[in-house]
Amino acid sequence: AQRVTQPEKLLSVFKGAPVELKCNYSYSGSPELFWYVQYSRQRLQLLLRHISRESIKGFTADLNKGETSFHLKKPFAQEEDSAMYYCALSGNAGGTSYGKLTFGQGTILTVHP
Amino acid sequence: KAGVTQTPRYLIKTRGQQVTLSCSPISGHRSVSWYQQTPGQGLQFLFEYFSETQRNKGNFPGRFSGRQFSNSRSEMNVSTLELGDSALYLCASSPREGTVQYFGPGTRLTVT
Repeated sequence: AQRVTQPEKLLSVFKGAPVELKCNYSYSGSPELFWYVQYSRQRLQLLLRHISRESIKGFTADLNKGETSFHLKKPFAQEEDSAMYYCALSGNAGGTSYGKLTFGQGTILTVHP
Repeated sequence: KAGVTQTPRYLIKTRGQQVTLSCSPISGHRSVSWYQQTPGQGLQFLFEYFSETQRNKGNFPGRFSGRQFSNSRSEMNVSTLELGDSALYLCASSPREGTVQYFGPGTRLTVT
């Protein structure tokens, strides 16, 4: 069974402070990990996927297979980063991901001025 | 390209009724997935369709069903509605199976 755990429901930081949103997963195969973000009154949108290994809006995330984690980090938080963040996992076999995403419960990030 | 669209955006139904929700994927996308979002359970996978075939199904009762048409548009149906079916139903499309999913705005279903 696949499972994603985001231990923090709420996370508050001040503008300019570093932020780390935690994500741990459980999956017996080779997973593909994503971070999705939902800003107020907007639809869910992709922020990062581990395969692309890129930085989006200053956020990065590294897949740590030993610790089964995919934490999201940003060195200097901005007020516009305030949103709900979801970590998600998709099964991957033979190089093809399946179309089922398993989501964590989400973390609400609030960045104070 | 226009994003994923879902109709209707809001719906109020009574217990025991049935409901059909519609999803139009991004042009050229052939895979459509459906999710249920509730405050208690979060985002849960319902099913995935690719080329009119159901590829994957989540852990929901048989009252929840779906289909995909030849133009990749998809519908989901919930029969014999229960109060617990009140949720935001999200549709997501991707170019093909297993690639990045793009989400629609959702249909807010309220069952009274």
